[in-house]
Amino acid sequence: QQPVQSPQAVILREGEDAVINCSSSKALYSVHWYRQKHGEAPVFLMILLKGGEQKGHEKISASFNEKKQQSSLYLTASQLSYSGTYFCGTGHNDYKLSFGAGTTVTVRA
Amino acid sequence: DTGVSQDPRHKITKRGQNVTFRCDPISEHNRLYWYRQTLGQGPEFLTYFQNEAQLEKSRLLSDRFSAERPKGSFSTLEIQRTEQGDSAMYLCASSLTTGDSPLHFGNGTRLTVT
Repeated sequence: QQPVQSPQAVILREGEDAVINCSSSKALYSVHWYRQKHGEAPVFLMILLKGGEQKGHEKISASFNEKKQQSSLYLTASQLSYSGTYFCGTGHNDYKLSFGAGTTVTVRA
Repeated sequence: DTGVSQDPRHKITKRGQNVTFRCDPISEHNRLYWYRQTLGQGPEFLTYFQNEAQLEKSRLLSDRFSAERPKGSFSTLEIQRTEQGDSAMYLCASSLTTGDSPLHFGNGTRLTVT
């Protein structure tokens, strides 16, 4: 049930954009996105509940295609503070999340 | 909101010893989760409580692992007869009951089994 994330890693220069994908083999109730910096706890970014829904958080947004069981996270005009590992958490019911292996984002000046 | 706190932050133990970790969730959160995270991987679900009831436990979890949440407040995770493969970061998270509530993670307990 673990979702598959791609790419595994991405290196950006400040101001560049990136897309992180998350796909599941099972029907999804929700998709959560979290960011974890080295040695810290994962921090919540956003939840998507409905098919085709998009949400935004500063210059970070996400979409959820319920039919394709996929979600994408968009990093726009990246900043140094965006560096970290991004995890998608997929929910097949209303209480349990399964996390992908993560995508490590490095933003360089 | 003081956040989720976990104790201890680090634990080094010898193989075969028992260890216990504590998690104090955000006070108004009914749901409490334990996850395990190894290097380069995402958090792996271990178990879930709704108030004091343990409603799901991962099938991957051996019977050496046990968790409790007496009175629906703090929770403890005990590992008996530790093995080197138990070395990992153990994360606790809590959330409200509604399905669209985010998980709030603690800083974790890093276990090293020598």
